[in-house]
Amino acid sequence: KQEVTQIPAALSVPEGENLVLNCSFTDSAIYNLQWFRQDPGKGLTSLLLIQSSQREQTSGRLNASLDKSSGRSTLYIAASQPGDSATYLCAVDFSWGKLQFGAGTQVVVTP
Amino acid sequence: DTGVSQNPRHKITKRGQNVTFRCDPISEHNRLYWYRQTLGQGPEFLTYFQNEAQLEKSRLLSDRFSAERPKGSFSTLEIQRTEQGDSAMYLCASSLLLAGEETQYFGPGTRLLVL
Repeated sequence: KQEVTQIPAALSVPEGENLVLNCSFTDSAIYNLQWFRQDPGKGLTSLLLIQSSQREQTSGRLNASLDKSSGRSTLYIAASQPGDSATYLCAVDFSWGKLQFGAGTQVVVTP
Repeated sequence: DTGVSQNPRHKITKRGQNVTFRCDPISEHNRLYWYRQTLGQGPEFLTYFQNEAQLEKSRLLSDRFSAERPKGSFSTLEIQRTEQGDSAMYLCASSLLLAGEETQYFGPGTRLLVL
């Protein structure tokens, strides 16, 4: 069974610290992996997409790595800000567009 | 605004009633997805369309659920004889599949509460 797991479920850090969010998946045969941000009661905002052939993607303070052989991806957010407080979701495309999501990591950045 | 839009944003209904949600994708996107999200969980895939063709339905989608995408444009998701377990956020996403690659863009969702 293909599964996506995110640990920890919740994380609280002081402003300025770097954030490290983990995602693991059970099947290395993936098309791509995508990280999303979700604010309370809102839809999903795409942050980064890593194709199966790529090892990492970067956008501003965000960097995501992908290691298919170990079934892991890590999202790094540098110099966290209170505005980074949200739930971060990892989604894996195992099967031609049908994303399978983890349960998310709820992040709180305290001023 | 050229993002994915969903209507209504909120819906409260009584058990046994029918409800219909609408999703307007980003113009020119050929794929449209429906997901359902319950509190504290990630979204779960329900069904998807490529143009007007519905290509796959999850086993989560009981016979009470039906989705359409006439003419490959907007899509509707109908739930008949709603149950309290249908209470969730229903999310729509669209993408442009090109050369085997796509990025899904999500709408704001429709939050359904069944009393």
